[in-house]
Amino acid sequence: GENVEQHPSTLSVQEGDSAVIKCTYSDSASNYFPWYKQELGKGPQLIIDIRSNVGEKKDQRIAVTLNKTAKHFSLHITETQPEDSAVYFCAASLEGTASKLTFGTGTRLQVTL
Amino acid sequence: SAVISQKPSRDICQRGTSLTIQCQVDSQVTMMFWYRQQPGQSLTLIATANQGSEATYESGFVIDKFPISRPNLTFSTLTVSNMSPEDSSIYLCSVVYRTEAFFGQGTRLTVV
Repeated sequence: GENVEQHPSTLSVQEGDSAVIKCTYSDSASNYFPWYKQELGKGPQLIIDIRSNVGEKKDQRIAVTLNKTAKHFSLHITETQPEDSAVYFCAASLEGTASKLTFGTGTRLQVTL
Repeated sequence: SAVISQKPSRDICQRGTSLTIQCQVDSQVTMMFWYRQQPGQSLTLIATANQGSEATYESGFVIDKFPISRPNLTFSTLTVSNMSPEDSSIYLCSVVYRTEAFFGQGTRLTVV
């Protein structure tokens, strides 16, 4: 089955700096790659996603890039703010949608003042 | 968006007992999913709850341990049976609504 690795496990940045989180996946047939933000005591919430026919997608301060050849995708957060502090998960799916997701191991992002 | 209500939000249970977790969504959805998130770790898919048919379980999860019901398009239950301390986790319900996944807030289960 699919396996998703995520790095780093923890990341501390100063407010205003950029944060980059990287994931690799094993199954070349995976075609949907969402990123989720999970705050304490809450379920994951989608922040951005990308499909395999797209190389990059941006939404304000958040961007995701996908390299299908290398089977990796990355989350980029610019101009980080304290409210960006949370655990971030990447995921992959073979279904083309958010069905049956395989999650990465998570990155705890801390944005310091 | 889809709003998911999950109950209970947390529980402490004795080993050997069973707990049923309820998931209610405010929209009709074809598929509902149950995930397990062990403390400080990632989410692992337990099963897909299909309306009108039996649930589909992922490798490592069996129906006898995690029976699932899906009586209609807005509701599902997951039962954790014959619990042991290793079952202590957060259990999350998820739905896919218009291609996006939405998650409940989770049920934090502690087995003592």
